[in-house]
Amino acid sequence: DTQMTQSPSTLSASVGDRVTISCRASQFIAHWLAWYQQKPGKAPKLLIYQASNLEDGVPSRFSGSGSGTDFTLTISSLQPDDFATYYCQYYNSHLFYAFGQGTKVDLK
Amino acid sequence: EVQLLESGGGLAQPGGSLRLSCDASGFTFNLHAMIWVRQAPGKGLEWVSSISSSGAATYYADSAKGRFTISRDNSKNTMDLQMNSLRVEDTGVYYCGKDSSGYFYINAWGRGTLVTVSS
Repeated sequence: DTQMTQSPSTLSASVGDRVTISCRASQFIAHWLAWYQQKPGKAPKLLIYQASNLEDGVPSRFSGSGSGTDFTLTISSLQPDDFATYYCQYYNSHLFYAFGQGTKVDLK
Repeated sequence: EVQLLESGGGLAQPGGSLRLSCDASGFTFNLHAMIWVRQAPGKGLEWVSSISSSGAATYYADSAKGRFTISRDNSKNTMDLQMNSLRVEDTGVYYCGKDSSGYFYINAWGRGTLVTVSS
């Protein structure tokens, strides 16, 4: 089964910082990758799908890149509402899903 | 507006059973694959099970195989997760989600229902 590995596990940053989170798949997954944001006590929220497509309503400061096995989520200028945990997720037509372990973005 | 509402969570003893339900509205239910994902206290998200739009195909994480059964009723816009032989490590919040119809990423989630397995 495909395993997803995120780094770092925790990231301390300030408002206005450029933030980058990495996600690596254990095997080739093309563009079958999504990114989610989750705040405590809340359901995940879709940010990015197909590795680089921004979900409707998501601020343009969020962007995704990568293909194959290496992917990146970038927040161009961190805002107060962005302090949260972020997950990458592999998905496919066989309805198999795998999440990364999460990256918590907190205040430096 | 898409709405997913989970129910059925609660306290169960190890070895016991619970049946979770997900009531869907605001979209054409029979066009979308559905998914259950769980989150243990203080831990990350874990995929549990998926079901195709017709219900003909079902998939399980290794942790759920042989113990959990996913099903759906497209006439009632509902999806269920029958959980048997529960373990302490099954404790967590269980979320249902819908896929994007044709692309398989999950674009909507319910608020979750808490399952606690403890003696």
